[in-house]
Amino acid sequence: LAKTTQPPSMEAYEGQEVNVSCSHTNIATSEYIYWYRQVPHQGPQFIIQGYKDYVVNEVASLFISADRKLSTLSLPWVSLRDAAVYYCIVTPRTQVVGQLTFGSGTRLQVYA
Amino acid sequence: GGIITQTPKFLIGQEGQKLTLKCQQNFNHDTMYWYRQDSGKGLRLIYYSITENDLQKGDLSEGYDASREKKSSFSLTVTSAQKNEMAVFLCASSIRQGNERLFFGHGTKLSVL
Repeated sequence: LAKTTQPPSMEAYEGQEVNVSCSHTNIATSEYIYWYRQVPHQGPQFIIQGYKDYVVNEVASLFISADRKLSTLSLPWVSLRDAAVYYCIVTPRTQVVGQLTFGSGTRLQVYA
Repeated sequence: GGIITQTPKFLIGQEGQKLTLKCQQNFNHDTMYWYRQDSGKGLRLIYYSITENDLQKGDLSEGYDASREKKSSFSLTVTSAQKNEMAVFLCASSIRQGNERLFFGHGTKLSVL
């Protein structure tokens, strides 16, 4: 299974766009990319998933490089509520359920 | 929408004690999970269940038992609490096996004296 590498922390001011990168150099053709985030005292929350190219939803957008070794989660106009730990997860979609591996993630700090 | 409810929110136990954590979901999801999260760390899978009365061990199952007697509920038992243990236990569910969009509860924070 592919291992992911994320920056341990990032900082931003309210209103800025934030791009969180995730490197998955050994990603297999069967694997998809998932992003979750976790605010303090709550469980993780699904943000977005993708396989290739570009995916967008009401919360974020996800850009995946052509070789699929790098993905970038983009959060437009962050607010204080976006302060959280962001997890990038790579796993086969047909993998036996429950094998999502949450690493240490990227802690995003947002300043007013 | 649905919700996952974990009880209790906080659990204080004594060393060697058997402790039970409960989780209920009203999504009507087939699959449920228990994860453990230590302070500042990622999540580790303890047990999961793909349907009523099914149990599957995760990477961290030693020292734990689980029970899925109903589709809507999944309980986790710490068989013998370890002194000074402190962690958050997170319950989650997904619509079916192989769907990686998980919905999580708010967690049960365990402290062992």
